Amino acid sequence: KAGVTQTPRYLIKTRGQQVTLSCSPISGHRSVSWYQQTPGQGLQFLFEYFSETQRNKGNFPGRFSGRQFSNSRSEMNVSTLELGDSALYLCASSLARTPVVPDIQYFGAGTRLSVL
Amino acid sequence: GDSVTQMEGPVTLSEEAFLTINCTYTATGYPSLFWYVQYPGEGLQLLLKATKADDKGSNKGFEATYRKETTSFHLEKGSVQVSDSAVYFCALSRLNNAGNMLTFGGGTRLMVKP
Repeated sequence: KAGVTQTPRYLIKTRGQQVTLSCSPISGHRSVSWYQQTPGQGLQFLFEYFSETQRNKGNFPGRFSGRQFSNSRSEMNVSTLELGDSALYLCASSLARTPVVPDIQYFGAGTRLSVL
Repeated sequence: GDSVTQMEGPVTLSEEAFLTINCTYTATGYPSLFWYVQYPGEGLQLLLKATKADDKGSNKGFEATYRKETTSFHLEKGSVQVSDSAVYFCALSRLNNAGNMLTFGGGTRLMVKP
């Protein structure tokens, strides 16, 4: 079974640009979550999508947005990039059983974004 | 809000030494607890988990016990190997009606020398 796939692995952008990152979850997983990892702030939750709806959101500005498609694939978009957005962006998928239980989240290798 | 505190690293050990990485948490309700490991250039891999008090998670020689009375989930291994060198993250997941999200500790880098 294929794992969580994130593309691209590396990105270089300049301030003010916008970027879109992609995540393909494990087959059968319905929930996709996004996390930002930086040396200073560590791992921080961005948002979670389930059935094409955002159902959890972390404390990030509106420049960070996402969406989920009917096949559970997800994209994350960051507009008006700032130097501080340089980070490793990790995507995780889980089964998302109901009623809600503490499903294991499986992580992709991440997309490393550098903002110059 | 929820939080997880881990001992700061790096932790440097010789091969076959005993490992302990401390983790304590603050959360309302009954969170599930996890240890994830991150090898260089990779994403996070689940190492072990525990979903209720007194549960012991174990995998690949690593163990951690969910201690509700001390709000702790310390990671231990009896004999580390060079291949265990990585960054270890303690995390909690507290369910709400909206689903589950992970709150991570700051990570502890482990370096094992031959």
